[in-house]
Amino acid sequence: GQNIDQPTEMTATEGAIVQINCTYQTSGFNGLFWYQQHAGEAPTFLSYNVLDGLEEKGRFSSFLSRSKGYSYLLLKELQMKDSASYLCAASPEYGNKLVFGAGTILRVKS
Amino acid sequence: SQTIHQWPATLVQPVGSPLSLECTVEGTSNPNLYWYRQAAGRGLQLLFYSVGIGQISSEVPQNLSASRPQDRQFILSSKKLLLSDSGFYLCAWSVQGALQETQYFGPGTRLLVL
Repeated sequence: GQNIDQPTEMTATEGAIVQINCTYQTSGFNGLFWYQQHAGEAPTFLSYNVLDGLEEKGRFSSFLSRSKGYSYLLLKELQMKDSASYLCAASPEYGNKLVFGAGTILRVKS
Repeated sequence: SQTIHQWPATLVQPVGSPLSLECTVEGTSNPNLYWYRQAAGRGLQLLFYSVGIGQISSEVPQNLSASRPQDRQFILSSKKLLLSDSGFYLCAWSVQGALQETQYFGPGTRLLVL
C-alpha cells in the first residue's frame, strides 16, 4: 500500500525557523513533492526532490533521504503569510500519479 | 504560459440532483489531467486521471464519472449526488512524459450537497 505521514498541526513564531517532517512508504519511488495550500485555495507547488540531499529555494528548503523514506520542508524567517497547510506527496512510480499526505497546518504567530 | 480554469467556483446542490464540473487547460498540449476531492481537513483523494482524449482511469469506486471530450477539457459528472459528495474538487494537469511530474492545480470548485 501507499502511506504518507506528516504531523497534523504545528505552531511557530514569526521570524523563526520551522521544520515539517514527512515519512512515506510507497510501492516504488520517483520523487517527493511539497505543496502549500492556503485556506480555501488550491495547492501550489513548492519543491521536488528525487535525489538524497537538500534543495534550497529562497526561504524554503526541502530534504530527502530515500533510504529512510523521509523528507522535511524547512521554512526560514517565518512570515505571517506562511500560515497554511503544507502537503507532502510521493510519486510511487513513473507514470503520473501522486499520493498525498493529509497535510500539516502551520500557524505562524506574532 | 499555462493556465487552468475550473467552474463553477461554488455550487450548492440538493441530494439526488445531477452534477457537471468543468476543467480546461490553456497553453499546453496533450496534458495528463486529474480530478481530486478534498474533504474538510483531509488530504487530496485522487478520483480520476486521464492521459488522453477518451482515456479515463478511475481510482475509487463511487457514483462519479469523468470524461475527456477534448484534449484540454476534463469533466466530472454525477447522475445523482449524495451527501457524501460534498467537498472541494480540484482539477490538475501535468506534462506528459516529463521526468519531474509536477501537478499544477486549478482554483477548485467547492460543492455542498444538502
